[in-house]
Amino acid sequence: EDKVVQSPLSLVVHEGDTVTLNCSYEVTNFRSLLWYKQEKKAPTFLFMLTSSGIEKKSGRLSSILDKKELFSILNITATQTGDSAVYLCAVPLKSQGNLIFGKGTKLSVKP
Amino acid sequence: EAQVTQNPRYLITVTGKKLTVTCSQNMNHEYMSWYRQDPGLGLRQIYYSMNVEVTDKGDVPEGYKVSRKEKRNFPLILESPSPNQTSLYFCASSSSRTGPSTDTQYFGPGTRLTVL
Repeated sequence: EDKVVQSPLSLVVHEGDTVTLNCSYEVTNFRSLLWYKQEKKAPTFLFMLTSSGIEKKSGRLSSILDKKELFSILNITATQTGDSAVYLCAVPLKSQGNLIFGKGTKLSVKP
Repeated sequence: EAQVTQNPRYLITVTGKKLTVTCSQNMNHEYMSWYRQDPGLGLRQIYYSMNVEVTDKGDVPEGYKVSRKEKRNFPLILESPSPNQTSLYFCASSSSRTGPSTDTQYFGPGTRLTVL
């Protein structure tokens, strides 16, 4: 059965901390893995990962994929209160338009 | 402004009363999709469309219908809503036909539906 599992489900940190969010997957015919950020509204796209070992970076956020071990991590350095959100991981299934999401990691950054 | 719009944004209805949630995008995107989001279950895909007149089931299609008669619109139809369809619904679109597997996906603002 195809599945995407995120951990932890929730996390509370203080401003300035560094966090690592995990996403593991089991899907047939893997093509890509996607990260989204969801604040109190619609998800917004962060990263698309297709190749192992190549880090994607945007400001304080970075992500990397390990296709051998079937997981990805999302790192956020020097966290700010504005990073508080639910972070979603998703993987397209065999039919490329069919997308399966993990349950998300709720990150709370305290001042 | 490039965007995905949904209407209505909030809706309270009763069991069995047919309803339609509209979704429209102004980016000439090939791919469109509907999701529902429920606490503890996350985002789940209902239906998607990779082209005009082509629609496919996602993970939770039961109780829903869609149509894609024109590129910009992708309405979600609940023929006989039930309380278990109370949820937050998102429409999304993407430029390429393969959608989120190869291209950024843009989400609409969401429609909060309550079925009594």
